[in-house]
Amino acid sequence: DAKTTQPTSMDCAEGRAANLPCNHSTISGNEYVYWYRQIHSQGPQYIIHGLKNNETNEMASLIITEDRKSSTLILPHATLRDTAVYYCIVRVLLFGNEKLTFGTGTRLTIIP
Amino acid sequence: DTEVTQTPKHLVMGMTNKKSLKCEQHMGHRAMYWYKQKAKKPPELMFVYSYEKLSINESVPSRFSPECPNSSLLNLHLHALQPEDSALYLCASRPILQGGEQYFGPGTRLTVT
Repeated sequence: DAKTTQPTSMDCAEGRAANLPCNHSTISGNEYVYWYRQIHSQGPQYIIHGLKNNETNEMASLIITEDRKSSTLILPHATLRDTAVYYCIVRVLLFGNEKLTFGTGTRLTIIP
Repeated sequence: DTEVTQTPKHLVMGMTNKKSLKCEQHMGHRAMYWYKQKAKKPPELMFVYSYEKLSINESVPSRFSPECPNSSLLNLHLHALQPEDSALYLCASRPILQGGEQYFGPGTRLTVT
């Protein structure tokens, strides 16, 4: 399974953009990058995913480099409720089943 | 209804007890998952069910026994657990044909004494 590397922790001021980097240098050509977050004591929540093009939804934007070896999740206007652990995951399909291998994640703290 | 529910929220059991965790979803998802999450660690995949059949077992000890009695329900039967099995147990579901993300439940916090 392709491994991901993320900073252990980051701080961001409320109202500013939070940029969370992720390295996935061993990703294969058909593997997607997924981002989930986990707010304390809750189940993980899906944020966004992408293959090679940049993606945007109501929660965030995902920028994937052209060589696909790294990506950045952008929360455009961070709020206190965005404080969470953010996981960057390379999704694997095993026997047709989706397998998510969570890395250690980045603990993002939004500062008032 | 985009919710995965898990019961109980908390469970304390002795090492000789038998208990079960329950997970339910009514989104028509045909893939269901069990994860285990130790404190301050990421979730780790345990089992995957696809169309009510066990598809992936991540070498989980036999004291954990999953069951998928129908397309909406997933159980995890627990027997002769060890204190190191204390963790948050998360259930997730996902549609298969149309793809899409995994929806996670809030988890059951298990303490083995």
